[in-house]
Amino acid sequence: AQSVTQLDSQVPVFEEAPVELRCNYSSSVSVYLFWYVQYPNQGLQLLLKYLSGSTLVKGINGFEAEFNKSQTSFHLRKPSVHISDTAEYFCAVGAPGGSYIPTFGRGTSLIVHP
Amino acid sequence: GAGVSQTPSNKVTEKGKYVELRCDPISGHTALYWYRQSLGQGPEFLIYFQGTGAADDSGLPNDRFFAVRPEGSVSTLKIQRTERGDSAVYLCASSLTSVTGELFFGEGSRLTVL
Repeated sequence: AQSVTQLDSQVPVFEEAPVELRCNYSSSVSVYLFWYVQYPNQGLQLLLKYLSGSTLVKGINGFEAEFNKSQTSFHLRKPSVHISDTAEYFCAVGAPGGSYIPTFGRGTSLIVHP
Repeated sequence: GAGVSQTPSNKVTEKGKYVELRCDPISGHTALYWYRQSLGQGPEFLIYFQGTGAADDSGLPNDRFFAVRPEGSVSTLKIQRTERGDSAVYLCASSLTSVTGELFFGEGSRLTVL
C-alpha cells in the first residue's frame, strides 16, 4: 500500500517570492512520483514526474521537484511565483507494474498575492 | 488532439434517484480510471479498467456504485439510489501505459444530490 501526505493545506505567498510545497510519501516498493496542478474550473494536469534517474526533476511553468529517497519526500519548488500560479497542487505516488493505481494527496492551495 | 471528455459537466439530482456519468478517454488509451473528489480533498480512487475489464474496483464505496467499459473505450459510472453524501466531483482519467505513469484527466462531472 502507498500513501501521500501534503502537510500544508494552504500556502500564501507574495508574487515573485520563492515557494516550496511539501510532499511526503510511504510505499513498500519503488515508486513513481508526480505533481499535478488544478487551476480553477479546470481538470488536473501534469506539472512534472519522477520515474527514475536524476533526482532533480524539472517541469512546466518553471517548477521543479527533488526526489529524496531517504526522507521519502518529493517537495515542489519555484524560485519566483506569479499570480497565475494560484491553483491547487496535488502530489501523487504510483507503484509501477501490475494494477497501476496512483494515490493522491489531499492537495495544497497555493495563493499568490500581488 | 482531443483530451478526456466527461459528460455531464454538472448534474443535480434528488436523493434516491439513479445517475449515469460518462467518460470518453483519449483514443488508444487502454487504462481508464474513475476518481472522486470531495471539497477540500484530493482525488480518491474508485475503479480502474484495463481494456474492457475492471482490473481493480476496490475503491467503490458500496454496491450502489457500478462502472462499465463494454468496448474498451467509453466508460459509464452508474450510481443507484443516490445519497447526499455522494455529492462530489467525479473525475475520469486515462493512460496509455503504466510505464510512463502519467494520467490524463477530464474536467470532471460535478454531482449534487439534494
